[in-house]
Amino acid sequence: DAKTTQPPSMDCAEGRAANLPCNHSTISGNEYVYWYRQIHSQGPQYIIHGLKNNETNEMASLIITEDRKSSTLILPHATLRDTAVYYCIVRDPYNQGGKLIFGQGTELSVKP
Amino acid sequence: GAGVSQSPSNKVTEKGKDVELRCDPISGHTALYWYRQSLGQGLEFLIYFQGNSAPDKSGLPSDRFSAERTGGSVSTLTIQRTQQEDSAVYLCASSSVAGGPGAEQYFGPGTRLTVT
Repeated sequence: DAKTTQPPSMDCAEGRAANLPCNHSTISGNEYVYWYRQIHSQGPQYIIHGLKNNETNEMASLIITEDRKSSTLILPHATLRDTAVYYCIVRDPYNQGGKLIFGQGTELSVKP
Repeated sequence: GAGVSQSPSNKVTEKGKDVELRCDPISGHTALYWYRQSLGQGLEFLIYFQGNSAPDKSGLPSDRFSAERTGGSVSTLTIQRTQQEDSAVYLCASSSVAGGPGAEQYFGPGTRLTVT
């Protein structure tokens, strides 16, 4: 069973920030938060991950609440190419052999 | 460098036939994963390889499904006596290590299997 809850869909205007929420209220101490995205007809693509501190890379920022029960993926300046399904996944990277358990994700539509 | 490649990109087969799907991981990646994505089920984990051994086969849906990996590189997923419910996109991913927080997975483009 997926351990995360995400809104099924969101819209964002091109050039604006896209803020994608994820609820993971049952997250355990060893579990990290990972984000992947899947552009139509392609395989999923890794975006970012974090444990408790906020993280930023060239693609996005990840904000994790202090109690770790929720997080937000931020695409600072969304483009049309960011239209995709975004998956929030929590897992213990030291167990389970690294397999990813995907939920339904959020379908983000970036509109001109 | 080259990413994960899969072949064929599309496969149409008749119900009851056997099919083999191939995955070439990124060179040097020790961990390899198979997933499938169907309309009704979303993305599901099937099996994971660490080197040539498969410590986690928990996602294989039935004994008609099997996979092997040779030389710590190429993997083949075999489906015997295909059924219509096997129709899906089969995705392969590889990772430089299996564990650890930074072990991101790189996915191939998938093989679209249609069972008629």
